[in-house]
Amino acid sequence: DAKTTQPNSMESNEEEPVHLPCNHSTISGTDYIHWYRQLPSQGPEYVIHGLTSNVNNRMASLAIAEDRKSSTLILHRATLRDAAVYYCILRDLPVNSGGYQKVTFGIGTKLQVIP
Amino acid sequence: DAGVIQSPRHEVTEMGQEVTLRCKPISGHNSLFWYRQTMMRGLELLIYFNNNVPIDDSGMPEDRFSAKMPNASFSTLKIQPSEPRDSAVYFCASSPKRGWSYNSPLHFGNGTRLTVT
Repeated sequence: DAKTTQPNSMESNEEEPVHLPCNHSTISGTDYIHWYRQLPSQGPEYVIHGLTSNVNNRMASLAIAEDRKSSTLILHRATLRDAAVYYCILRDLPVNSGGYQKVTFGIGTKLQVIP
Repeated sequence: DAGVIQSPRHEVTEMGQEVTLRCKPISGHNSLFWYRQTMMRGLELLIYFNNNVPIDDSGMPEDRFSAKMPNASFSTLKIQPSEPRDSAVYFCASSPKRGWSYNSPLHFGNGTRLTVT
């Protein structure tokens, strides 16, 4: 799997937008960009994913650079409940073994939200 | 939907004892994953099942670890004998499609925190 690079930690003020960056300079043409987050004492939860176009859902927005070598997860209005570790992961199309590929989550970005 | 259910939430045991962690995936999901999380190594995939069959167990650290999935609604991860370095949070996740495919989110349980003294 292509690797991703994220800052270890970030801070944001409550009710302000947060932009969480992810670099993936070795991304392949068929890699999808996935984001997960892990709240304290919980398992990771899916946030959003995309391929080339920017994506929006009820949780966040995903902005993907034109060359796809980086992406940004956008939380439009940070709340205290958004304090978590955010993981950026690349997933390729299923090509063999029924689509299974091992995935490493890395260390992620720990987001602190300041009241 | 109850989500992925893991038990116990916490397990404290002495070195050398057998430990069994349990997982009930979301009904209808046909893929199941066991992960281990530590501060040093992050989240590591241990084993992946598809339709109750182990597909990839290359992440299982050694023979002391074993996993089974006797039916679509239950899986176990066993450590025998346990060692202090096995202390970690163990997560189970399930997915509605085959494998960790590109558009199929994983649904994680809340994990079992294992402490081996």
